[in-house]
Amino acid sequence: AQTVTQSQPEMSVQEAETVTLSCTYDTSESDYYLFWYKQPPSRQMILVIRQEAYKQQNATENRFSVNFQKAAKSFSLKISDSQLGDAAMYFCAYGHNAGNMLTFGGGTRLMVKP
Amino acid sequence: KAGVTQTPRYLIKTRGQQVTLSCSPISGHRSVSWYQQTPGQGLQFLFEYFSETQRNKGNFPGRFSGRQFSNSRSEMNVSTLELGDSALYLCASSLTAPAETQYFGPGTRLLVL
Repeated sequence: AQTVTQSQPEMSVQEAETVTLSCTYDTSESDYYLFWYKQPPSRQMILVIRQEAYKQQNATENRFSVNFQKAAKSFSLKISDSQLGDAAMYFCAYGHNAGNMLTFGGGTRLMVKP
Repeated sequence: KAGVTQTPRYLIKTRGQQVTLSCSPISGHRSVSWYQQTPGQGLQFLFEYFSETQRNKGNFPGRFSGRQFSNSRSEMNVSTLELGDSALYLCASSLTAPAETQYFGPGTRLLVL
């Protein structure tokens, strides 16, 4: 069974600075997908970024980028120029080709200080 | 396009009752997945429906069941409610193929007394 681990329950960053959230996973599959989702206080899960395991290039979406290390099974999220609206729970998730079922990590609560 | 909608948004039930939650996917999406979110267990996959058939199932007791209709709308049912079923139930929809990006609804918050 796949497992996803987020070792930082809470992180704090100053507005306009950069922060990196960590995620490691365990799988025996070679083809899979990784996601970062954001869950603000409204509890609505919002997709931040997606990475296909077969792609060597790290995914980027505006201020959000990932550092995908397949051999190390590591998938960290970097948020640049942090904004107050980035404050939320961030979940790392793993998916594979067997279907649309995600395995989530325990989450990291990000606080942004003005 | 309208997003994923879930009804009701909030629900209070008592132990032993049953409950049905509804999810309408994004137009054109044919896969619907359900997740349970609790403070203790985090986010856990319940099941996925595609073309009215259950395609994947998580590790939950048989009290949890679901179905999908021909218009891709899905319902989830929990029978004989227990206090531990109190949770946020999230529905997500995606296009046809496996491993497509899932888009989540706002959730139904269920409280069992």
